[in-house]
Amino acid sequence: AQKVTQAQTEISVVEKEDVTLDCVYETRDTTYYLFWYKQPPSGELVFLIRRNSFDEQNEISGRYSWNFQKSTSSFNFTITASQVVDSAVYFCALSEAQRSQGNLIFGKGTKLSVKP
Amino acid sequence: DSGVTQTPKHLITATGQRVTLRCSPRSGDLSVYWYQQSLDQGLQFLIHYYNGEERAKGNILERFSAQQFPDLHSELNLSSLELGDSALYFCASSATGVRGNEQFFGPGTRLTVL
Repeated sequence: AQKVTQAQTEISVVEKEDVTLDCVYETRDTTYYLFWYKQPPSGELVFLIRRNSFDEQNEISGRYSWNFQKSTSSFNFTITASQVVDSAVYFCALSEAQRSQGNLIFGKGTKLSVKP
Repeated sequence: DSGVTQTPKHLITATGQRVTLRCSPRSGDLSVYWYQQSLDQGLQFLIHYYNGEERAKGNILERFSAQQFPDLHSELNLSSLELGDSALYFCASSATGVRGNEQFFGPGTRLTVL
């Protein structure tokens, strides 16, 4: 069955620390897509990144980087030199190409608190 | 700003009542997805519409229904409301019905059932 696990419920760091948010997924599809979304205290869901299952290249966008490893079914998210504005709940999500109509299956989220 | 709009932002109502939540997708997007976010269930997919047609149903109660109109806006109707229906309801849009497309979320409607 399809599933996304974010084992870290809450993480607290001090500004400028690096932090990694873990995401482990389960799927039987060979083609699938992985996403990260950010939900700041204001409540909206902000799209951060999408990867497809055939592209295991790591991605970097400014202070954000993502590590996709099919061998361990993981899609981890690292924030380098964290800032207070990074405080939010971060969701990892899965979309299966064969077994769904494109809907997202979300993990429970990791609440990140960055303290000054 | 994702370009997806939802109204109202907040809704407070009583048990047994019926409400309608409205979503306007990003310009040109044909797909609308509805999700419910609650403390105990997390973010759950409810229903997907593509260009006016229902494409998929998730964990949507029979008391809930949705539709997508010719101008592509969508409405989610919740009836016989119960306390447990209190949640944040999001709609998201994507360009096509192609699986794997990015979904852009609206700001949500916070429903409180008293």
